[in-house]
Amino acid sequence: GQNIDQPTEMTATEGAIVQINCTYQTSGFNGLFWYQQHAGEAPTFLSYNVLDGLEEKGRFSSFLSRSKGYSYLLLKELQMKDSASYLCAVMDSNYQLIWGAGTKLIIKP
Amino acid sequence: ETGVTQTPRHLVMGMTNKKSLKCEQHLGHNAMYWYKQSAKKPLELMFVYSLEERVENNSVPSRFSPECPNSSHLFLHLHTLQPEDSALYLCASSPGESSSSGANVLTFGAGSRLTVL
Repeated sequence: GQNIDQPTEMTATEGAIVQINCTYQTSGFNGLFWYQQHAGEAPTFLSYNVLDGLEEKGRFSSFLSRSKGYSYLLLKELQMKDSASYLCAVMDSNYQLIWGAGTKLIIKP
Repeated sequence: ETGVTQTPRHLVMGMTNKKSLKCEQHLGHNAMYWYKQSAKKPLELMFVYSLEERVENNSVPSRFSPECPNSSHLFLHLHTLQPEDSALYLCASSPGESSSSGANVLTFGAGSRLTVL
């Protein structure tokens, strides 16, 4: 079966760096997405990776290794507003999105 | 208004009630989706509409009935639901249906929190 694994919850300190990992086993691969979801709000798009390597977008970066079935989202200079759930999703060979259960990130002062 | 708007934001209903969830997008997108989000579980795709035609129905019970009258509006009609149907129901839209492009970014609404008593 198809599966996306990511940690359920992580805690980090304001101003620090945190890395949220996502591993996947899917039928084919057509890209990996990261979304951010604040409590009670809509998930919003953060990044898309289809080729191996690091994509940087301000304080957020996303990395992909297709051979390892692995991605991470790196958040630098953490701010309190970064407290949210981070959802990893992979598009399989049928262009269907397979979702992880999300990682709840708690930022402490 | 811009983006994807869902109403109502909160809904409490009994198992014998009939209610509807509404979704509206003003992005000019051609595809719309209903997802179910339960605590600590992955998003579950329920229905996909592309150009107002249903292209996917992921074995969803018939007590959930979608309707897409035009490319901007999507409804989810609810009838004789069960307590396990309590969840956050998210609507999303995208420029095209997922098979047309790899980088098909979804724009989500804030969801309708449904509680079935």
